[in-house]
Amino acid sequence: DAKTTQPTSMDCAEGRAANLPCNHSTISGNEYVYWYRQIHSQGPQYIIHGLKNNETNEMASLIITEDRKSSTLILPHATLRDTAVYYCIVGTGGFKTIFGAGTRLFVKA
Amino acid sequence: GAVVSQHPSWVICKSGTSVKIECRSLDFQATTMFWYRQFPKQSLMLMATSNEGSKATYEQGVEKDKFLINHASLTLSTLTVTSAHPEDSSFYICSASAVGSSYNEQFFGPGTRLTVL
Repeated sequence: DAKTTQPTSMDCAEGRAANLPCNHSTISGNEYVYWYRQIHSQGPQYIIHGLKNNETNEMASLIITEDRKSSTLILPHATLRDTAVYYCIVGTGGFKTIFGAGTRLFVKA
Repeated sequence: GAVVSQHPSWVICKSGTSVKIECRSLDFQATTMFWYRQFPKQSLMLMATSNEGSKATYEQGVEKDKFLINHASLTLSTLTVTSAHPEDSSFYICSASAVGSSYNEQFFGPGTRLTVL
């Protein structure tokens, strides 16, 4: 079973920030938090990952709580092309990845 | 960034035939490759993990004699669906984990859509 829980779906207005939460209360000390997204009929795309500290790249920011039991992916200025299913996954990377149901994000004009 | 390709991108075949899907890491060497299956409106389901030069490890409920996996080199893994039936119609996705990556990020292919008539 997936080790994370995410809301089934979320809406966001174009140009606004999209904040996608993820609960991973059973995360182990050596497990990273990874975020991927999947646009319809394509393979998943890597977004960002983190261990303890908050991370930012050109796509998004990742905020991890101090106890590491939850995190939030932030898309600072959502566009219509960000409409996708977003998966939050915990693990040690090269080992097998178990996908949960993810959050279906709808960005609306 | 690292690129993983799959071939073919889509395939239609008759029931009872076998279909081979290739997964290649184009600009990096992959110690481990993973195969997933995805049915419409569902999440990705891990089928098997393959390591170069050794036998694949299949997830519970996945028939190893039906889904043959070969990982002959550090840049190529193949999945053969033998004696395909309509219920095998699905979106098959591979991913690869790079040798020497500090956090073992996985890179996903674009997927192969299989339709069995």
